[in-house]
Amino acid sequence: GAVVSQHPSWVICKSGTSVKIECRSLDFQATTMFWYRQFPKQSLMLMATSNEGSKATYEQGVEKDKFLINHASLTLSTLTVTSAHPEDSSFYICSASFYEQYFGPGTRLTVT
Amino acid sequence: AQRVTQPEKLLSVFKGAPVELKCNYSYSGSPELFWYVQYSRQRLQLLLRHISRESIKGFTADLNKGETSFHLKKPFAQEEDSAMYYCAPRHNQGGKLIFGQGTELSVKP
Repeated sequence: GAVVSQHPSWVICKSGTSVKIECRSLDFQATTMFWYRQFPKQSLMLMATSNEGSKATYEQGVEKDKFLINHASLTLSTLTVTSAHPEDSSFYICSASFYEQYFGPGTRLTVT
Repeated sequence: AQRVTQPEKLLSVFKGAPVELKCNYSYSGSPELFWYVQYSRQRLQLLLRHISRESIKGFTADLNKGETSFHLKKPFAQEEDSAMYYCAPRHNQGGKLIFGQGTELSVKP
């Protein structure tokens, strides 16, 4: 089956630093990847749609200068949280689209 | 506006009881509808989609366009069905999913 990986699975960083999260489709090519944010016991909130070779499309209310998305190849998309603050602490999940969406295991970000 | 409503945050049933997880949507056009499941400490995974009209793990879901509903049903719940369930419409293949708030199903022995 289609597998999506994320790296790292968890990360702790200091306030003001930047963190990069990778999302890879391991056995298929994905022209479209999606980035979500999930708070404890809550649903997934779509942050942005990432298309290979073009700029990401951000959902309303998501700061594109804070959450930088790069989709340089058909198997890799990255999310960089710039100048992270404690309120950015969350669970970030990516998915890759190949007829349907396949989800990564998520990355737990804690900003201290 | 596109909206998905799962009215029950928590649904608790005993093993062997029937279960119905409700989903209502407000969506322009003819979306494709999905149910996703997230077991404890596992990634989100597709449970079923309305166009395939299949039964997965004993679950079925019927799309009612008149009522704009896509309720998930299982006649006899099992303890291993305990998980978070999300209803999600999608406008077109490759398009974004809009997730409902999710319903936590707890099946007690």
